[in-house]
This record gives sequence, C-alpha cells and structure tokens, in this order.
Amino acid sequence: LAKTTQPISMDSYEGQEVNITCSHNNIATNDYITWYQQFPSQGPRFIIQGYKTKVTNEVASLFIPADRKSSTLSLPRVSLSDTAVYYCLVGPRGGGATNKLIFGTGTLLAVQP
Amino acid sequence: DTAVSQTPKYLVTQMGNDKSIKCEQNLGHDTMYWYKQDSKKFLKIMFSYNNKELIINETVPNRFSPKSPDKAHLNLHINSLELGDSAVYFCASGTKSTEARGWGSQETQYFGPGTRLLVL
Repeated sequence: LAKTTQPISMDSYEGQEVNITCSHNNIATNDYITWYQQFPSQGPRFIIQGYKTKVTNEVASLFIPADRKSSTLSLPRVSLSDTAVYYCLVGPRGGGATNKLIFGTGTLLAVQP
Repeated sequence: DTAVSQTPKYLVTQMGNDKSIKCEQNLGHDTMYWYKQDSKKFLKIMFSYNNKELIINETVPNRFSPKSPDKAHLNLHINSLELGDSAVYFCASGTKSTEARGWGSQETQYFGPGTRLLVL
C-alpha cells in the first residue's frame, strides 16, 4: 500500500482556511485517497474521499492534482472544535475483509482563538 | 443511536489475565475490524472479518483472537495479557463510500469510541 507523508503538526486561528497536504508518490492506479479525523479519546471519523480532481462535501474539500502524487485537504473557516489529528490514507478500491486501512502519523491541527 | 459501540470503555487488569472487549455495530455492515493505537498514537489494524473470511495482521500475537457470534458483533479476546498490550483498542465496521461515485469507491470505516486497556 502507498506510503503517505504529512506534516506532523500545523497551527491555525479560528476563521482561517487550513490546507493540509499529503504526499503519496507511490500511489497506484486503483488507489483512492481518504482523510480521517480523530479527536482526543475518540475513534477516527471519515471526512472525505476522492480519486482525482476535486471533491467537496459539507465538511471539507479535497484537491487532487492530475498526477495524484499528492492531495490537499482544505478545511474552510476552522473553529476550535476542529483541533484534531487528520490522517491521510491511500488504498485500493474494494471492500470486505481484504480492505485494510493503513494509518500514518497524521497531522495534529491546533486551532487557536 | 450509537453506530459502533464498545465495552468496556476502560479496562485495568493484571499481567497474565484473560480479558475480552465487546464490539457491536448497528449499521448493517458486513465487515468489522479491530485496531490498536499505542502510546505514540500509531493506529494499526489487527484483524478484519466478514462472514466469509478472517484476515489477520501477521504482527498480531496469537494471544489475540476475534470472535464473531453474528454479523453485528466482533469481540476481541486477549489471553495472558502483557504490559505491552496496554493501548487503546478501536473496533470499526465498513461500507463503501458514495463520494467517489463514478470511479468505484473505497470502503469507509466507522470507528467505535475505543477501549483503553491498561495492563499492570
């Protein structure tokens, strides 16, 4: 499975847009890019997933360039409650018992007032 | 309505004991998982299971065994607990994401709140 590289931590202020970039140079043709969010003392929570170009939902946007070797999670107007660890994962299409997620170190986003 | 629930939330026990952690999901998913998150916050998969097969991460000691009485439950049994087993254990269940529609999709996993195990 493709290895991912993310910044260990980022700081931001309330109301700012935050962009977290993930590198995945060895991404395979059938790999998808998924981001999870984990608050302290909770399990990870799915945020967004994409294969190419741009995906947007009510929480975030995901930008994927044409070569797919990186992706950027964009959080609009963050609040204090967005302080969490954000994980970027890449993995193949599919489901069932053979689909396993490999979590990297994640990016700790600290939002200040 | 809790989608994925685990019990107990905290578990403190002595070395050598045998313990179980229970997991239930009410999402109707076919696949369930167990993950371990250590003190350095690395989250690693231990098992994935559906009604067809059990996939075991080769690094998991055979003291750990998943038991699934039915599709909605995947319990984790741990024998002869060791100090290094202290961690947070997360249960998850999976389904395909609808967000990548058009190109197929990868499975989205829903995690439980975690069980904090401390072995003394």
